[in-house]
Amino acid sequence: DTGVSQDPRHKITKRGQNVTFRCDPISEHNRLYWYRQTLGQGPEFLTYFQNEAQLEKSRLLSDRFSAERPKGSFSTLEIQRTEQGDSAMYLCASSLGGLTAETQYFGPGTRLLVL
Amino acid sequence: KQEVTQIPAALSVPEGENLVLNCSFTDSAIYNLQWFRQDPGKGLTSLLLIQSSQREQTSGRLNASLDKSSGRSTLYIAASQPGDSATYLCAVWGNAGNMLTFGGGTRLMVKP
Repeated sequence: DTGVSQDPRHKITKRGQNVTFRCDPISEHNRLYWYRQTLGQGPEFLTYFQNEAQLEKSRLLSDRFSAERPKGSFSTLEIQRTEQGDSAMYLCASSLGGLTAETQYFGPGTRLLVL
Repeated sequence: KQEVTQIPAALSVPEGENLVLNCSFTDSAIYNLQWFRQDPGKGLTSLLLIQSSQREQTSGRLNASLDKSSGRSTLYIAASQPGDSATYLCAVWGNAGNMLTFGGGTRLMVKP
């Protein structure tokens, strides 16, 4: 257990429905990341927060995806109008950012299946 | 754009063997390189982090080396055990953005 938690762990939904995932990072970590991982592939970066500010977004993050970190603590990732291609593991990671690049601690992931 | 490649994609070895996993990256302008372990259906566990100024890091039976100029890293696992069976991922933190770029992983099976 890295100290990063994600909820739910599994989600099955029908195409066209909206889903929301939550990530609770390690409490003192100011940086939070979302990644997506499809079967047999490495994770791909989606977006990054420093405190409550969303500083980077991947081009993978279409306009159906939105992420928030309202008080600089937990974060939510919402997918609107889900498509079958959204089926993947969604991973959250946190780190204590400073002047040097730091270790990211990953949560257990939320596995999404869109039928 | 940074690209990370891991070879081999899958590896099966008998228990007790020493083995080497390879990782290559296209852009040598990196801050660090990390090796992670991922068990089936689970999240990632950080194994080793090598800063760009370092050549290697060791933790128990694991040793990771970094040759930044040639864009290569290796993860050496000594005296492999069945419990080492997992997917091993390498990732680089580049200068171009605040993110890790991952390779596709090496799926390792250690047979008793």
